[in-house]
Amino acid sequence: QKEVEQNSGPLSVPEGAIASLNCTYSDRGSQSFFWYRQYSGKSPELIMFIYSNGDKEDGRFTAQLNKASQYVSLLIRDSQPSDSATYLCAVKGYGGATNKLIFGTGTLLAVQP
Amino acid sequence: DAGVIQSPRHEVTEMGQEVTLRCKPISGHNSLFWYRQTMMRGLELLIYFNNNVPIDDSGMPEDRFSAKMPNASFSTLKIQPSEPRDSAVYFCASSPTGGFNTEAFFGQGTRLTVV
Repeated sequence: QKEVEQNSGPLSVPEGAIASLNCTYSDRGSQSFFWYRQYSGKSPELIMFIYSNGDKEDGRFTAQLNKASQYVSLLIRDSQPSDSATYLCAVKGYGGATNKLIFGTGTLLAVQP
Repeated sequence: DAGVIQSPRHEVTEMGQEVTLRCKPISGHNSLFWYRQTMMRGLELLIYFNNNVPIDDSGMPEDRFSAKMPNASFSTLKIQPSEPRDSAVYFCASSPTGGFNTEAFFGQGTRLTVV
C-alpha cells in the first residue's frame, strides 16, 4: 500500500461545477494534511492545510478530514479554467517523524470552459 | 524574502558525470527537504534535514546520491555517477520547524537531463 494515494485522473469538470479531489493515507499517526496545487512546469504551492477532523473552508476551497477512515478531500466550488492543474495531497508526521512530509502522486484537474 | 532558491534551473549532462544541485532555503527555516518528481513516481521525498542534520534519508535511491547541509543557508544534492534514469525535476523545499501545521515552501526546481 502506498503511503499517500490519489486518483491520477484526469478529473474533468465543467466551469462553475464542484470539483472533488480525494486522498487516502496509510499511517494513522499522521498529524496534518496539506493540499498543494501545481501548474504544469511550475513548483507546488500551498492551497490549504487541515489537522482536525471535519471541514475547513477557505474561499472556494473546502478541505475535509476523516482520521478514522484515513481520508482527506478537497472540494473546489465554482470551478474556473484557471483551477486546471495537478492537485497534490501531502501528509505530515508520517511514521512518527514530526516534520516528514510525504506527497501523493497528484490528481490532474481539467476545468472545461 | 526571495523564497527558496535553487540552481541551476536546468542541467544537461552525460551519463557518468557528476551532478551537483544547490539550494538556499528561506532564512529562518529549520527544515529542508529534497524531492524528485517524475511522471511515473510523482513527488518523492529523498532526504530531509532539521537544523542542518539529516533526519531521514530513506528515500535516497542508492549510494550514487548524497546530500549535505553544511550550514543553515545552503544544501547540495550530488549524483555521482549520473545515469539516464536520474532524469527528473529535483525540488528543494524549506519550512519552519516547531509545528505540524507549518507548510513547506518550494524552490523553482532543477530539471536534470542525463543523456
